[in-house]
Amino acid sequence: EAQVTQNPRYLITVTGKKLTVTCSQNMNHEYMSWYRQDPGLGLRQIYYSMNVEVTDKGDVPEGYKVSRKEKRNFPLILESPSPNQTSLYFCASSLSGVAGRLETQYFGPGTRLLVL
Amino acid sequence: KNQVEQSPQSLIILEGKNCTLQCNYTVSPFSNLRWYKQDTGRGPVSLTIMTFSENTKSNGRYTATLDADTKQSSLHITASQLSDSASYICVVSVDWGYQKVTFGTGTKLQVIP
Repeated sequence: EAQVTQNPRYLITVTGKKLTVTCSQNMNHEYMSWYRQDPGLGLRQIYYSMNVEVTDKGDVPEGYKVSRKEKRNFPLILESPSPNQTSLYFCASSLSGVAGRLETQYFGPGTRLLVL
Repeated sequence: KNQVEQSPQSLIILEGKNCTLQCNYTVSPFSNLRWYKQDTGRGPVSLTIMTFSENTKSNGRYTATLDADTKQSSLHITASQLSDSASYICVVSVDWGYQKVTFGTGTKLQVIP
């Protein structure tokens, strides 16, 4: 089954304790992206990747890091989490991410993070 | 600044009734507009994708319209079902070579028996 998976689904941590949220897709997609969703706000892009070893900042990259060493995986790293990073996080992928190709973007199930 | 505004914020309708959700955007250069359905606690799922040359796109009981001149879109749900209870998100993409998206805050729809 074609899907985007994220782990963990739920995470409670404390301020400053490094964590990684994994994202994996089995559709051989080149484009992957991370979003956060907060009440009253639309999804906001954190980072995206057009292909292996190609990543760039989205709208809210502060406090986050990413890497794309393999096409299928795109982990999100919080080096020193803070309470304002408490949020619902989504990973997504699409075939190429090129504008005009009308590609469907597939979202993962989400990771709910609470930073105390 | 690119913005996508949706209305209403929330809506309650009786099962079997129709409803229309609105989306206004100020996004340039426009590439395409999508509607997503997001069930509580789950990732968004694509319903429709439209370019500026398309006025209408249907997906079962969901019909999206687009007026590129007024920068407005609507999502019409026909004969609503309890399973339609979800948030509906309007997403507009700009053409920067790659797809840069701006999400609306969504309309939360509740269908009651």
